[in-house]
Amino acid sequence: DAGITQSPRHKVTETGTPVTLRCHQTENHRYMYWYRQDPGHGLRLIHYSYGVKDTDKGEVSDGYSVSRSKTEDFLLTLESATSSQTSVYFCAISETRLDTQYFGPGTRLTVL
Amino acid sequence: EDQVTQSPEALRLQEGESSSLNCSYTVSGLRGLFWYRQDPGKGPEFLFTLYSAGEEKEKERLKATLTKKESFLHITAPKPEDSATYLCAVYQGGSEKLVFGKGTKLTVNP
Repeated sequence: DAGITQSPRHKVTETGTPVTLRCHQTENHRYMYWYRQDPGHGLRLIHYSYGVKDTDKGEVSDGYSVSRSKTEDFLLTLESATSSQTSVYFCAISETRLDTQYFGPGTRLTVL
Repeated sequence: EDQVTQSPEALRLQEGESSSLNCSYTVSGLRGLFWYRQDPGKGPEFLFTLYSAGEEKEKERLKATLTKKESFLHITAPKPEDSATYLCAVYQGGSEKLVFGKGTKLTVNP
């Protein structure tokens, strides 16, 4: 298994609170991604990073921000969580551009 | 516009009953078609990458094939442990954005 961990694995929070999810990799891969998975929508890309401090938006980036200060860590922040952001969040990594992506175990986030 | 469509949405098989899952795509300039397996409560697990029409790859009871418009995941003599959701994905128009289908949920009954 690719060395990807996500924390926390489960989180329940209230509407309007800030939330940060962490993805940590031990593979030294250049690319890192954040996805959300919802019934009826499948996996959708939120943001991705192509290097330290280099990030770009995905399909569903509104309400989310990301940061990458080290190769191994990619943070996803919900500045003010809403119920529509209740979802399962997955981090993925790939060694190069357009390469196979390997996924972490996921974080289940519930916003009440 | 859906760029990746998987069918059927759900499939029930008896153990040993072979079948195929379909993934059709409409992206131009294919940069690889990816198959994943996802078990409940877990992240997608990589299975195969196919790059060009006519390419085939096998792993145990699974074989993936690719044409110019679609890919098939053939499951031969499935076992209950093959039960999972199977996802396919392609990179969108050469960008870094991997677009996923909604998956096929496979259930294999003993």
